[in-house]
Amino acid sequence: DAGITQSPRHKVTETGTPVTLRCHQTENHRYMYWYRQDPGHGLRLIHYSYGVKDTDKGEVSDGYSVSRSKTEDFLLTLESATSSQTSVYFCAISESRQIRDTQYFGPGTRLTVL
Amino acid sequence: QKEVEQNSGPLSVPEGAIASLNCTYSDRGSQSFFWYRQYSGKSPELIMFIYSNGDKEDGRFTAQLNKASQYVSLLIRDSQPSDSATYLCAVNPGNQFYFGTGTSLTVIP
Repeated sequence: DAGITQSPRHKVTETGTPVTLRCHQTENHRYMYWYRQDPGHGLRLIHYSYGVKDTDKGEVSDGYSVSRSKTEDFLLTLESATSSQTSVYFCAISESRQIRDTQYFGPGTRLTVL
Repeated sequence: QKEVEQNSGPLSVPEGAIASLNCTYSDRGSQSFFWYRQYSGKSPELIMFIYSNGDKEDGRFTAQLNKASQYVSLLIRDSQPSDSATYLCAVNPGNQFYFGTGTSLTVIP
């Protein structure tokens, strides 16, 4: 998984509780991404980061926030989890955002919101 | 209209046959194209990328790109049961990756 870890790998939580997912990389890549994967929708970008403290929204950012205080860590927070946020969350990294650069994925976190 | 379209399958082929997976995209300005393989319960792993029109071969895998028709395909020769997985097509028009929903492939021994 290209030196990418995610924690936790599985989580069950209740509606309304806050949840934080962590992505850690050892590749020193500048760009980090959070995606969610749902049946029928494929992978959709939530947020991405282009450096420490530099983040931007993706296509499905509502209800999510992110932070990046170190190059190697990218956190995804659900401030108040809802059942619609039940999904598999993948972190990805890339060296740059140039047109030909490749994204590599972490192992994923399966989140269930009851 | 979705950015990237794939036939969800399932596609079944016998062992040793050629599996053909197709993907169409809407943004004519797209310049880079990627194929990922995803086993059930696992994360996507990169198989191939292609930037230029034509074919690109890597072992048993061949990616084909036709920008005029806006499609990209993946051929898997001598298919093996271990190739059974979902194959994701990704397209980068310049600002981010857009993924298809994937095609499920089953290789029957």
